[in-house]
Amino acid sequence: AQSVAQPEDQVNVAEGNPLTVKCTYSVSGNPYLFWYVQYPNRGLQFLLKYITGDNLVKGSYGFEAEFNKSQTSFHLKKPSALVSDSALYFCAVRAYSGAGSYQLTFGKGTKLSVIP
Amino acid sequence: DAMVIQNPRYQVTQFGKPVTLSCSQTLNHNVMYWYQQKSSQAPKLLFHYYDKDFNNEADTPDNFQSRRPNTSFCFLDIRSPGLGDAAMYLCATSREAGGYQPQHFGDGTRLSIL
Repeated sequence: AQSVAQPEDQVNVAEGNPLTVKCTYSVSGNPYLFWYVQYPNRGLQFLLKYITGDNLVKGSYGFEAEFNKSQTSFHLKKPSALVSDSALYFCAVRAYSGAGSYQLTFGKGTKLSVIP
Repeated sequence: DAMVIQNPRYQVTQFGKPVTLSCSQTLNHNVMYWYQQKSSQAPKLLFHYYDKDFNNEADTPDNFQSRRPNTSFCFLDIRSPGLGDAAMYLCATSREAGGYQPQHFGDGTRLSIL
């Protein structure tokens, strides 16, 4: 079964410092990987995805993620954190759900707190 | 702006009293999803529609039903809500069901059960 793991429940980082939110995956075949962000009382917002191609993927709001096949990881990064980046971050992988359809399997989420 | 809209944002119902949550989209996407999310946990897929084809997740309780009368609208019906059904319910859309395109989420309906 396709799955992702986010090993950290919470990440704290000082404003202006680089941030990393970790994600590892377990899939059969080629992984389709996604990052979403969720602000309080809001829906999830798409940040970026890896389907194929360059291992470094650039996304919204200055975020990027690095796909590492040997380490089965897809960590989310940003060079300089903003207080407004404080939110809940979900890693997700495409999983087959039958009848020709696919769904997203989400990690448990990582709460990012950026400290002023 | 094209978007996914959920109404109402907050819904209170009584134990056992049927409730309907609604979702509309202006993206003209083929696929619409319903997720249940509890207490900052990962969203859990309940079911999805690809056009008019309904796909139910194996572990979705029978208490949960859905209707999609047209491309733009999708409804989540909870026939007899229990206390354990209190959660945020998220609607999402995607252009196709291949899983390689991002899903677009509404801001959710937070359901409380009295």
